[in-house]
This record gives sequence, C-alpha cells and structure tokens, in this order.
Amino acid sequence: GAGVSQSPRYKVAKRGQDVALRCDPISGHVSLFWYQQALGQGPEFLTYFQNEAQLDKSGLPSDRFFAERPEGSVSTLKIQRTQQEDSAVYLCASSLAAGGYTFGSGTRLTVV
Amino acid sequence: AQSVTQLDSQVPVFEEAPVELRCNYSSSVSVYLFWYVQYPNQGLQLLLKYLSGSTLVKGINGFEAEFNKSQTSFHLRKPSVHISDTAEYFCAVSSTSGTYKYIFGTGTRLKVLA
Repeated sequence: GAGVSQSPRYKVAKRGQDVALRCDPISGHVSLFWYQQALGQGPEFLTYFQNEAQLDKSGLPSDRFFAERPEGSVSTLKIQRTQQEDSAVYLCASSLAAGGYTFGSGTRLTVV
Repeated sequence: AQSVTQLDSQVPVFEEAPVELRCNYSSSVSVYLFWYVQYPNQGLQLLLKYLSGSTLVKGINGFEAEFNKSQTSFHLRKPSVHISDTAEYFCAVSSTSGTYKYIFGTGTRLKVLA
C-alpha cells in the first residue's frame, strides 16, 4: 500500500487479557520497527525486523511482549496478560534503508 | 549508547514569527539525525534528515535544521510559522550502522498563537 497501515486504531483490553496488534508495512520495505509511545513521551524502541528475521528485541519490556513477521511483510505485536502500564500508543515503522522510516498512525492500547 | 535532549517541552510563538526548537544529542559513534512532527492522534511524519554532506538541511513545510558536530546539536528552525504548524516535534538519532533504531527526545510542543 501507499503507507504503513496499523490495526486496530484503538483497543481497550481488560487487565490480564491478551492482545494482538497488526502492522502492514509499505510493500517491499525490508526493515520494520515497533515503538511504544507512552502519554506525553517520545517513542521508545521495542524491536526490529529485517525481512522475517528479528535482529533486535532489546527494547521489549518483558517476556509478555512478543513480535513476529513470519513472511517478511505483515508483523504482529502480541502482548500477553496485559497490565495497566502497557497502556500506550504502539507505532510501527518501515523503511527500505537507513534514511528515515515511514510511520503508521499507531494503535492506542488502553488497559482497564 | 545514545541520548537526545530536547530542552523545551513547550514553545509558544505568535503566527508569522520565527521559531527555533532545540535538540542536543550524545553519542560515541557517528549518527544520523532526524526531525519528525506528530499531529494529534496521528503517527510521526518525517520533516527532514541529516545523513551526510551539507550541514544545513532543508525539509518540508519550510523547516530547516543545522547539524553542528562540535556542539552536538541539530536545532530546527522556521522563519515564519503558521497556525497549522501547531504540533509535537520530535528529534531522533540513530547510529550509522547496525539496526538504525531511533533514540527519540521527549518532544517539544509547538503552539502557534493567532
């Protein structure tokens, strides 16, 4: 597609529920990133894929967070047993090279 | 390790006045530098980037920034702002090798007043 598409745009989860957030990158973009943006803060790096390989997951805050990109295109960020501190906007970005990413509009997750 | 400091959390400015949003970074390796804008309930849009070459970089919507290696700064400027420039602005740095993941500053909220 023309841009990075994320779904859902908004998600309300009860504490303890599992959620899955989807990212459709720009077609042909090799690199894919996930960021977490808490209210009033800058985005923080979660994980990075090059094609289907997850090359860096150093930013995932706990083992409840899991990301995959099995065919090198669509990616899913899964959060198990959600906690209130997981409430944030989750941003996906993709790029062909190092010269700047294209971000999606994000998924706003609210854990109640 | 890298870090980014955006010294001003909020900058109010009158319409048609000039503005400068400050960004300083710290890094032990060579860096690429970026400015992004975020409008309410939207993702981040790339304003401009410094990868190499001329230290004065021009971007979209009339913005420009200057890379100053000795002062480790990458301040964003616009000579005349519009109401529509009201948004959150983020400075980001990445290394020139590796995963190219960004380290973002905490953002500066630009509020343009009529």
